[in-house]
Amino acid sequence: QSALTQPRSVSGSPGQSVTISCTGTSSDVGGYNYVSWYQQHPGKAPKLIIYDVSKRPSGVPHRFSGSKSGNTASLTISGVQAEDEADYYCCSYAGNYIVVFGGGTKLTVL
Amino acid sequence: QVQLHESGPGLVKPSETLSLTCTVSGYSISSGYYWGWIRQPPGKGLEWIGNIYHDGSTYYSPSLKSRVTISVDTSKNQFSLTLSSVTAADTAVFYCAGRGIVGAIFDYWGQGTLVTVSS
Repeated sequence: QSALTQPRSVSGSPGQSVTISCTGTSSDVGGYNYVSWYQQHPGKAPKLIIYDVSKRPSGVPHRFSGSKSGNTASLTISGVQAEDEADYYCCSYAGNYIVVFGGGTKLTVL
Repeated sequence: QVQLHESGPGLVKPSETLSLTCTVSGYSISSGYYWGWIRQPPGKGLEWIGNIYHDGSTYYSPSLKSRVTISVDTSKNQFSLTLSSVTAADTAVFYCAGRGIVGAIFDYWGQGTLVTVSS
């Protein structure tokens, strides 16, 4: 299984919307509605922010949303805030109990 | 509140076996979830290593399968990782995590432990 493809970095000013893409194949992202997203601040463990493509765990701000089209999933942060500056990772189920992560995207809030 | 805590040596010599244990509190391992390991080399991304169910069923990353063993001790509410024949490329922060039965949902994470492979 190859890692999912994410842009290495994205940036946005406070209040802007930012979208991070996650591209896989029909064997992972495109084959299942089981994509999750994780936020990781420096020196911290990842935190689940989106699961099953577009569902938000309790306590995650509504400005975080997820979607999927074909083999590409996307995470959108509507109205990015300074505290959103972090690394973001997508993860997809790939069948046979296997999961695969994306390479990660660094979000810089300008 | 579910908490996971990794423990084990922070330094392993090349060609030797890395061993880590994850202790789960606030939730019985036998109640469900897959329990497993994810690693992150310094400055790099996350890599799934594998998962175990409380009945002992294991699922490993194809790229690491030949060197990885994950085991569970339900009496201690712990699960463990061994990674054999390590090299410097195995230097990473290792996270233990709880994964939902369906899909790719890692709800619970340990704080991570850095393991360095060096002589």
